[in-house]
Amino acid sequence: AQKITQTQPGMFVQEKEAVTLDCTYDTSDPSYGLFWYKQPSSGEMIFLIYQGSYDQQNATEGRYSLNFQKARKSANLVISASQLGDSAMYFCAMREGLGNTPLVFGKGTRLSVIA
Amino acid sequence: KAGVTQTPRYLIKTRGQQVTLSCSPISGHRSVSWYQQTPGQGLQFLFEYFSETQRNKGNFPGRFSGRQFSNSRSEMNVSTLELGDSALYLCASSLTGGTTNEKLFFGSGTQLSVL
Repeated sequence: AQKITQTQPGMFVQEKEAVTLDCTYDTSDPSYGLFWYKQPSSGEMIFLIYQGSYDQQNATEGRYSLNFQKARKSANLVISASQLGDSAMYFCAMREGLGNTPLVFGKGTRLSVIA
Repeated sequence: KAGVTQTPRYLIKTRGQQVTLSCSPISGHRSVSWYQQTPGQGLQFLFEYFSETQRNKGNFPGRFSGRQFSNSRSEMNVSTLELGDSALYLCASSLTGGTTNEKLFFGSGTQLSVL
């Protein structure tokens, strides 16, 4: 079974608008961490934001915020004020347990920002 | 601080050959993970090394192997190459890989084409 599901293969957003990228996850472990990475065409994965399963507040990092709904097992990434440079693949990932376990990725969403 | 360095950037091989990819982690990082990225399957975890020992292994055949040296540099080897091994191979490092919130730092990858 898929641990991480990203249902949007591709998304378009107008420059300066906000966009939400969806991510749902599946785990029975009470301890886990959720990550979002950005992969531009250069190939390198860039860390954006992290949310722990016990965190009470939604994570924020600059223009990135995470809409964490634990009961629904969703961790959607919100990008505010989109820029042309935000065009890239975006991956949601999860690490289960307290450590020493691999990071498992979803299949990604390709975001295209239109001028 | 230098980032994660992967060499070579591109490789072209023929079926049946073997290949070795190299990864130098960020200085001080002792955990190195390898991922295979293809358009169809996304990012799939290959294995993780910590202190020269394989700590985690993904679901790949024995043709895929790796090792880590005392300076934390890592190599992965693929023997008897198949057309389906064509992929972007990403290496990622982290301090210890031992905590839920520890993020991975990725290299730019090695693009392997098998003809």
